[in-house]
This record gives sequence, C-alpha cells and structure tokens, in this order.
Amino acid sequence: KAGVTQTPRYLIKTRGQQVTLSCSPISGHRSVSWYQQTPGQGLQFLFEYFSETQRNKGNFPGRFSGRQFSNSRSEMNVSTLELGDSALYLCASSLVGAGEAFFGQGTRLTVV
Amino acid sequence: AQSVTQLDSQVPVFEEAPVELRCNYSSSVSVYLFWYVQYPNQGLQLLLKYLSGSTLVESINGFEAEFNKSQTSFHLRKPSVHISDTAEYFCAVSGMDSSYKLIFGSGTRLLVRP
Repeated sequence: KAGVTQTPRYLIKTRGQQVTLSCSPISGHRSVSWYQQTPGQGLQFLFEYFSETQRNKGNFPGRFSGRQFSNSRSEMNVSTLELGDSALYLCASSLVGAGEAFFGQGTRLTVV
Repeated sequence: AQSVTQLDSQVPVFEEAPVELRCNYSSSVSVYLFWYVQYPNQGLQLLLKYLSGSTLVESINGFEAEFNKSQTSFHLRKPSVHISDTAEYFCAVSGMDSSYKLIFGSGTRLLVRP
C-alpha cells in the first residue's frame, strides 16, 4: 500500500506570493490533517478534513486555508506569504481522524 | 484541551546502553497516546501507539512505552540502543473527544554515540 504522498518536496517562494501544497492520503483513508513544523514553534496543527468537510482548525491566520476533494486528496494554500511561513508542512492521513495518523515526507517551504 | 511535555530536549547515550525518553501529558478527556520518530529531512514515522487495552505497548524495533494514567505519563524506553536510533522523537496525544488533531511535545533528540 502506498504511503502518504506530498508534492512538491521543496519550494522557494517570495514574500507576498501564494503557494499551494498537495497531499494524497493512503488509499481508503478519509481524514487528512496538516501540520506546520518550525524550529521555534515545533509541530502545530493547522486543520483537518474528513469527507470534504473541515472538522477542526488550529490557531493560524486566515491566510492559511485548505480543502479536500471527493477522492480524499487535499490541498493547503497560503496566501500573502511571510518570512515566518518558512517551515516543513506535513500532511497526515487516517481512517477516521481519531487515533493513529500516518505522515508524508513533508513539503519544505522557504520564503525569501 | 490537551498539552504534552517532553522534559528532555536532548538525550546523549552510548551505543548498547538503555535509554528512557520522558513524556507527560495533561488532558480533560481520555486520550490516545503516540510516539513518532523523525529522521533528518524526513516526515514523522509512527513508532508505537496506545489506544486502549494493555498499558505496555511495544514496537517492532525494540522500543516500548507504558501508559500510566495516574502519573499522566507515556515514557519511551529501549533496553539497548543502536547508532541508527539517532533521531528526533515526538510524543503526541489525541483526545477521544473527536477533536481530530494531534498535540505534539517539543521533541527529544536522541544522540547515540559509539
């Protein structure tokens, strides 16, 4: 069974631009969640989607948004990028959202 | 709401020595507990989990953790470490209240020396 796939692996953007990251969950998994990892703040929850509905959202500004498609693939978007948005963005999938989650390799976003 | 505290930011240990990585949590609801491992430039790999049942859980590579409800702890142990165990280890909790999110500790870097 293929694992969680995140694309792209690396990304360099300029301040003020927007970016879209993609996540394909494990086949059969309907819950997709996103996390931001930085050296200063550690791992922080962004949001979680299940059957195309956002069920929970972390404490991030509205510039961070996401969506989930009918095939459970998910995207997250960050608009008006700031230097502080530089981070490793991790996507995780699980069968129903509660319990164990399986992570992708992450997308390393650098904002210059 | 939940929170997780990993008391040690870095644990240096010699190869073949035992190790314990400490994790304490707080929660107003019952929780699921996890340990994840992260190697450089990689995502998180699930090491082991406590969902219910036996409070002692084991992984396939020799790690074990014990859920202690009274002390709200979920410490990770290994009787004999290898160089290849050098990595960052994260303890995480998820509430059984359908909050659908993992709360992570700040991580412990395990550094195994020859």
